[in-house]
Amino acid sequence: EVQVVESGGGLVQPGGSLRLSCAASGFIFSSYGMSWVRQAPGKGLEWVSSISGSGANIFYADSVKGRFTVTRDNSRNTLYLYMNNLRAEDTAIFYCAKIGSTSHSDYWGRGTLVTVSS
Amino acid sequence: QPVLTQSSSASASLGSSVKLTCTLSSGHRTYIIAWHQQQPGKAPRYLMKVESSGSYNKGSDTPDRFSVSSSGADRYLTISNLQSEDEADYYCETWDSYTRVFGGGTKVTVL
Repeated sequence: EVQVVESGGGLVQPGGSLRLSCAASGFIFSSYGMSWVRQAPGKGLEWVSSISGSGANIFYADSVKGRFTVTRDNSRNTLYLYMNNLRAEDTAIFYCAKIGSTSHSDYWGRGTLVTVSS
Repeated sequence: QPVLTQSSSASASLGSSVKLTCTLSSGHRTYIIAWHQQQPGKAPRYLMKVESSGSYNKGSDTPDRFSVSSSGADRYLTISNLQSEDEADYYCETWDSYTRVFGGGTKVTVL
C-alpha cells in the first residue's frame, strides 16, 4: 500500500526556519517525482515545489523561490522541504504528494501544519 | 503556464447528479487534467484523470459514481447518485513537466 507521511510542522516566528519531512513507503521511491503542495487556512491548493525521482530536476513556485529548498534521500525513502525566512503568509498545511507515472498527483499525505506567527 | 478555472460552488439533491467544470486557459486546450476530492478536514485524494480525447484513468478507490468527460478546453467531473459523503471541495490539476497548477476548487453541497 502506497503511503506518504509528513512531519516537522509547528509554530515558528517570522524570519525563522523549519524542515519538513515526508516518509514514503509502498512504492519504488527513486522512480517517482514528488511534490509539496500547501493550503492556507480556508484557501485552495497551491503548488510549492517538485523534484524528479533522481533529484536532478527541481522546480519551485515563484512565491517560495530563494527561500525554500527541496531535497530527497532515496536511501531513506524520504522527501524534505527546508523553509527559510518564513513569513506569515506561509502559514498553511503542507502536503506531500507522489507524482504518478503519467504525471498527475496520485497519492497524498495527511499534511503537516506550519504556523508562522510571533 | 496553464491556468485552470472552476466555479466556486455547486449544489444538488441527494441521489441526483452534479457536473463540475474545469476550463483550461487559451493555448492549453489539449492538456490532461486530474480531479481531486477534499472532504472537510481531510487531505485531498486523487479521483480520476481525463485527456482531451475523453480517455481517462480512475483511482483505485474511486467509486463508479464518478465519471469524467472532455469538450474543447473544458474538462468535466460528473457525480451520479450523489451521496452525503460527496459533499467536499473538488480541485482540478494540470502540469507542465514537474510544475503543477491547481484550479481554485469547487465546493459541492448535497441538499
